[in-house]
Amino acid sequence: GDSVTQMEGPVTLSEEAFLTINCTYTATGYPSLFWYVQYPGEGLQLLLKATKADDKGSNKGFEATYRKETTSFHLEKGSVQVSDSAVYFCALIYGGSQGNLIFGKGTKLSVKP
Amino acid sequence: NAGVTQTPKFQVLKTGQSMTLQCAQDMNHNSMYWYRQDPGMGLRLIYYSASEGTTDKGEVPNGYNVSRLNKREFSLRLESAAPSQTSVYFCASSPTDDRDVPEQYFGPGTRLTVT
Repeated sequence: GDSVTQMEGPVTLSEEAFLTINCTYTATGYPSLFWYVQYPGEGLQLLLKATKADDKGSNKGFEATYRKETTSFHLEKGSVQVSDSAVYFCALIYGGSQGNLIFGKGTKLSVKP
Repeated sequence: NAGVTQTPKFQVLKTGQSMTLQCAQDMNHNSMYWYRQDPGMGLRLIYYSASEGTTDKGEVPNGYNVSRLNKREFSLRLESAAPSQTSVYFCASSPTDDRDVPEQYFGPGTRLTVT
């Protein structure tokens, strides 16, 4: 079945370090891809998305590119801040409005000052 | 706009007790969802409702029932709670209009412990 695999955490970085969180997917078709972020004690918020191959999603300094050839959607940020400390989830969806999200297990990021 | 609201925020139950988790959205969304989040497991879909009056099972529906009371409200009921249902429960909603890929909006969650 369809699935999403993320790098295991936790990931601990110093402020201003470069961040990469790997995400790969298994799917029979061409899903849309998402990164969600969960800050401590809160629900999930959409961080960015890409709906077709080679699309780049970006928001708040984070970027991810939909790579069909490697079935990947890695999250990157050039300079992390303490406020980026959160759990990050990669997810995919099929079928537009009738699709259901399939999530990876999440990667916890801690950024130290 | 309040977005997606959930009650209660925390709940402790004894094995065998029942309870209903409430969810409401004020964004006029057609679709609503219930997920559970367990450590190291990500979020897993319990039930969803594509529109008022319809509900469908997700990945882990056993031990749960749902009711789409109206367009705004989608409740999740545990008839006989078990320790395996200790989890954080999230409700979400999304529009189902002409957008290609509608975003899901999540509530703040309910932390449930079953002893």
